[in-house]
Amino acid sequence: NAGVTQTPKFQVLKTGQSMTLQCAQDMNHNSMYWYRQDPGMGLRLIYYSASEGTTDKGEVPNGYNVSRLNKREFSLRLESAAPSQTSVYFCASNLDGSTRLVTFGSGTRLTVV
Amino acid sequence: SQQGEEDPQALSIQEGENATMNCSYKTSINNLQWYRQNSGRGLVHLILIRSNEREKHSGRLRVTLDTSKKSSSLLITASRAADTASYFCATDTSNYQLIWGAGTKLIIKP
Repeated sequence: NAGVTQTPKFQVLKTGQSMTLQCAQDMNHNSMYWYRQDPGMGLRLIYYSASEGTTDKGEVPNGYNVSRLNKREFSLRLESAAPSQTSVYFCASNLDGSTRLVTFGSGTRLTVV
Repeated sequence: SQQGEEDPQALSIQEGENATMNCSYKTSINNLQWYRQNSGRGLVHLILIRSNEREKHSGRLRVTLDTSKKSSSLLITASRAADTASYFCATDTSNYQLIWGAGTKLIIKP
């Protein structure tokens, strides 16, 4: 089982460039999430999608946009990257958005220079 | 905002010893979860304890929850090298949003 697949695994951007992080899950989960992880801090929720066709802001949404393309895929877009967005990004999913039993992807390490 | 705070930030023990890490939180919760993160990897769910439970076991893991003190502990017994990882607690304050602590980095020395 692939679980949650994220691409790319690593990316270096220049300030002002844009990019899209891709995420797909094959577990037929309804809810999907994007987190960022910074050194010495816990995960912080950027955006989530409770179900196909819906998206909502999390704790730190500024500078990001998301698209729930279908039930499997949930992408995160940085329109104009800033050094403060240097982080490790994790996509995650679970069956029903109840916050239980979240499955994570392996992460994307993004550096903005 | 950070709800859960793990203690200690880092822990180094000999293989075979027990490892205990703690998590404190600030607001009422429905459940508390522990996750493990190996270096460079995503987080893996370990165990969930509901707010009306006081203790839960899973293999070599023992989790306790004290809602009066707003704290939880994770005990790993008979540690192994493969237990080397960071451990995070997460609490739910509402649907869809888990609040995460900063993690405890556990190193098991051979």
